Amino acid sequence: EVQLLESGGGLVQPGGSLRLSCAASGFTFSSYAMTWVRQAPGKGLEWVSLLSSSGGNTYYADSVKGRFTISRDNSKNTLYLQMSSLTAEDTAIYYCGKGSCTNGVCIWFDPWGQGTLVTVSS
Amino acid sequence: QSALTQPASVSGSPGQSITISCTGTSSDVGSYNLVSWYQQHPGKAPKLLIYEVNRWPSGVSNRFSGSKSGNTASLTISGLQADDEADYYCYSYAGGRYVFGTGTQVAVL
Repeated sequence: EVQLLESGGGLVQPGGSLRLSCAASGFTFSSYAMTWVRQAPGKGLEWVSLLSSSGGNTYYADSVKGRFTISRDNSKNTLYLQMSSLTAEDTAIYYCGKGSCTNGVCIWFDPWGQGTLVTVSS
Repeated sequence: QSALTQPASVSGSPGQSITISCTGTSSDVGSYNLVSWYQQHPGKAPKLLIYEVNRWPSGVSNRFSGSKSGNTASLTISGLQADDEADYYCYSYAGGRYVFGTGTQVAVL
């Protein structure tokens, strides 16, 4: 069974940094692109970032470009999201998802983890 | 990066069919047959219902069907059931990025 487990969320002050992790199991992690999406409290879903299976190609939403860095460690079956210069607008549940992609073009993302909550507040 | 436009809410009675629209632009929905639909129950992770406009992942009921015309994609739920009460999001490739719809809350009356 494919499982994705996010961790690393918490309360951080504006301007601070946080690193999220997504531990994967039940599939050959190194063969799949992975993505992060987020959902602000009571709001809709927003795509954040995508990383190719090898880690060589990254894609970001304009809202996080230059502040967030997606990466992976295929030896640990783990996806990361390093977030910096955080603002209140980054407050959200962050979900990681497994993608079926070729050269950055993804047919679907499924499944998703249960998410980790990031709260940016003083 | 504007979100795709969906109606805020749609409702129907058990057994009825409802359709949710998802309007984008020629840069996303109109240019690629890479529209997906997700269902999200409160407090839960999104679940894939449809991919590549009208294809079903394994295990998803064929009561959910998708289509696309121009810049607008649609999800139809037939034989509406109580458990279909949830939020629904469309999602499209947009040339190096991805964009979600604004979300539609489905109520089963």
